Amino acid sequence: AQTVTQSQPEMSVQEAETVTLSCTYDTSENNYYLFWYKQPPSRQMILVIRQEAYKQQNATENRFSVNFQKAAKSFSLKISDSQLGDTAMYFCAFMTRGSQGNLIFGKGTKLSVKP
Amino acid sequence: DSGVTQTPKHLITATGQRVTLRCSPRSGDLSVYWYQQSLDQGLQFLIQYYNGEERAKGNILERFSAQQFPDLHSELNLSSLELGDSALYFCASSVGTAGQPQHFGDGTRLSIL
Repeated sequence: AQTVTQSQPEMSVQEAETVTLSCTYDTSENNYYLFWYKQPPSRQMILVIRQEAYKQQNATENRFSVNFQKAAKSFSLKISDSQLGDTAMYFCAFMTRGSQGNLIFGKGTKLSVKP
Repeated sequence: DSGVTQTPKHLITATGQRVTLRCSPRSGDLSVYWYQQSLDQGLQFLIQYYNGEERAKGNILERFSAQQFPDLHSELNLSSLELGDSALYFCASSVGTAGQPQHFGDGTRLSIL
């Protein structure tokens, strides 16, 4: 069975600093996709970033970037220049190419950005 | 705004009752997914529809059912409700191609009293 593990239940960071959220996953598949979603207190689920496993280049979206280590099955999220609006739960999610698109989520990391 | 519309935003009902949650996908999206978010189980995939047909089932109870209509909106029906069914139910949509991101609605908060 495929699983996603987020080992940090809670983290905090000072405004304008950089923070890295960890995610590991377990699969025997070779073709898959990885995502980070953000859930602020408003409870919406917002897509942050997407990575295709067959691409070695790490995905980047503005202040958000990932460190994808396929051999280690690791997919961490780096947030640069943290802003108060980044305060949220962050979920790592995994999807195999042949799964019809069903997302498997980790338990989440609660990130607090402090002024 | 993700473009995915879920109604109602909140539902309060009693054990044993039946409710229907509704979802309208983003324009152009053919796939609809339902997820349940609870404190103890986290986010779990329930069921997926693509262009009106069921594509995949996850941890969906037999008391739950869903369908996708010709206009692509979807409904999730929950019956014989139990206290443990209290959760946030999300609908997400995508174009349906493998690997494409899913865009989530704002969810329906279901509270069973």
